[in-house]
Amino acid sequence: QKEVEQNSGPLSVPEGAIASLNCTYSDRVSQSFFWYRQYSGKSPELIMSIYSNGDKEDGRFTAQLNKASQYVSLLIRDSQPSDSATYLCAAYYNQGGKLIFGQGTELSVKP
Amino acid sequence: NAGVMQNPRHLVRRRGQEARLRCSPMKGHSHVYWYRQLPEEGLKFMVYLQKENIIDESGMPKERFSAEFPKEGPSILRIQQVVRGDSAAYFCASSDRREDYGYTFGSGTRLTVV
Repeated sequence: QKEVEQNSGPLSVPEGAIASLNCTYSDRVSQSFFWYRQYSGKSPELIMSIYSNGDKEDGRFTAQLNKASQYVSLLIRDSQPSDSATYLCAAYYNQGGKLIFGQGTELSVKP
Repeated sequence: NAGVMQNPRHLVRRRGQEARLRCSPMKGHSHVYWYRQLPEEGLKFMVYLQKENIIDESGMPKERFSAEFPKEGPSILRIQQVVRGDSAAYFCASSDRREDYGYTFGSGTRLTVV
């Protein structure tokens, strides 16, 4: 199993819907998780972090962490076409502290 | 407060030439990380450096690639004798090593080998 895994998508949702992005992780990563957004041709931008079980909300974004099942998710409410991007899940590798990224999920929000 | 600065933004090299990519971390950050992103792929870790030290180079190809972060000046990722397969986006990130924060990425260098 890879340290951090995501479905590559693409995930397509209509404007105004909830987009749900999922990520699973192995025992080789620590308990700090991050979601990055990357627009085509641009660099990754940190949008959410989560360290504790449960939900963390920031505006239209909610990160969810379930340590028992080893998954972390990102919900985007009221999706907008401007949310169309690739979303990368990341976690710190236990040995050495480097951030390990999933392969990313491409989200397309249709007007 | 300037972010992570990378240059050049775009770099074109012929096969066999050398590519030098530069990265200046955010002010106050002493940890630098290099990642490579091939087209349609995720970010792959290459190397982690502190001033004058390579901490983890487990993601660096064994040959032709090297990295440094001198006491003064930017971090440099060097690719010798480039091949077409080296064409990718190379991103640098910096942190202050607090693991409750993620990394801040630079805008990247797009390397094209012709």
